[in-house]
Amino acid sequence: QQQVKQSPQSLIVQKGGISIINCAYENTAFDYFPWYQQFPGKGPALLIAIRPDVSEKKEGRFTISFNKSAKQFSLHIMDSQPGDSATYFCAASTGGSYIPTFGRGTSLIVHP
Amino acid sequence: GAGVSQSPSNKVTEKGKDVELRCDPISGHTALYWYRQSLGQGLEFLIYFQGNSAPDKSGLPSDRFSAERTGGSVSTLTIQRTQQEDSAVYLCASSLDRADGYTFGSGTRLTVV
Repeated sequence: QQQVKQSPQSLIVQKGGISIINCAYENTAFDYFPWYQQFPGKGPALLIAIRPDVSEKKEGRFTISFNKSAKQFSLHIMDSQPGDSATYFCAASTGGSYIPTFGRGTSLIVHP
Repeated sequence: GAGVSQSPSNKVTEKGKDVELRCDPISGHTALYWYRQSLGQGLEFLIYFQGNSAPDKSGLPSDRFSAERTGGSVSTLTIQRTQQEDSAVYLCASSLDRADGYTFGSGTRLTVV
């Protein structure tokens, strides 16, 4: 499988701050880039996703920024809240593959 | 059902025993996936089922692992002769067709003692 590199591994942010998680990929055939949010004891849940025809997608406090030329995409969480504390996974997949490649995850802690 | 259901939620087994983990996907979802998540690790793909096609077993770590999906719905992941390194959370996910819009279950936490 092609690798998706995610950083940082862990992140601590104060309430109200901006959380930024980055992912980089190699396979230029990837055409779907979702982010998943996982709370302890639960499975990952789809948070937001982007396709490479746009450079940014925003849903509430969550924004994906996509840089096709750099083969990078990132998740920005504005006005971070303690309830955002979770593990976040980026992923990438192609139209020809039914199996997405996941990053290794980022543990986010938002202090009150 | 409303979501992906996995059972049991927790399983403790002795080394060398066989275990069966069950996944009940969302009704109508043709694609079903099994993943393994070890402590502090990412999501390791195990196996993928799509409709009546032959499953993609490329992620199974050894021949002690097997999975089946009956009637295009419920799936069972079987681990034979469990080892301590098999301890992990086993996650099942389903989707309507391709990898877009996965829905994960809450997982089965397997502990091999």
